Amino acid sequence: KNQVEQSPQSLIILEGKNCTLQCNYTVSPFSNLRWYKQDTGRGPVSLTIMTFSENTKSNGRYTATLDADTKQSSLHITASQLSDSASYICVVSDHGTASKLTFGTGTRLQVTL
Amino acid sequence: NAGVTQTPKFQVLKTGQSMTLQCAQDMNHNSMYWYRQDPGMGLRLIYYSASEGTTDKGEVPNGYNVSRLNKREFSLRLESAAPSQTSVYFCASRKDLVVEQFFGPGTRLTVL
Repeated sequence: KNQVEQSPQSLIILEGKNCTLQCNYTVSPFSNLRWYKQDTGRGPVSLTIMTFSENTKSNGRYTATLDADTKQSSLHITASQLSDSASYICVVSDHGTASKLTFGTGTRLQVTL
Repeated sequence: NAGVTQTPKFQVLKTGQSMTLQCAQDMNHNSMYWYRQDPGMGLRLIYYSASEGTTDKGEVPNGYNVSRLNKREFSLRLESAAPSQTSVYFCASRKDLVVEQFFGPGTRLTVL
C-alpha cells in the first residue's frame, strides 16, 4: 500500500530561525512529489512540485529536496516568518495524470515571537 | 479569477439528512476532485471527474454521489448523512497536462 510519512508531527520555532521538515514515502511507481502549505481553515496551496529527475527546487524561502533512491524529501524554510505558521503536507503521485495522490498527514508548524 | 469556490463553508446535519456540497471553478479546468480531510489522516479522494460528463470513484466513495453538472461545477451529495461523514471536504481542479491541483477553501461538515 502506498504511504507517505511526515515528521515531526508538530514544530514550534522562533521567528527568523530556519527549520526542516521531513517526508518519507513508499509510493511506486513514482511520478512526482509535491509540498503544499495549508493555513488554518483554508485549502492546501502548492509550494513545489518535483519529478524523479529533480533533486532540489526553491520557491522563495522554501527549498525542497528529493532523494528518489532513498525515497525521502525535505522542505527547508529559511528565516521563518509568522505567516509561515501552517500545516505542510507532502503528497506523492504514482501516476502522471495526477488523478491518484497519496497525502501525508502533515507537519504543523508554529512560528512565534 | 475566484479560482475554486465551495458552498457552504459550514454545515451541521442530523443523521439521515441529505445535502449537496457545491463546487465551482472559473479556470476552465477539465479535471475536478472531491477529497475529505480527517484529523490524523491525509486527504483522501472521494470521487473525481476527468471531464464534463464523466465521474470515477476514488478511495472512499461509499455514502457519496457526485454530479459533473458542466465544465465549471462538480457537486457532492450525501443522501443519508452518518456521523462517520463528519469531516472537512475539499474540492480541487486541474488543467490537462499539468500536474498541479488547485484547492477550494473547504466545507466543514458535522453530522450529529
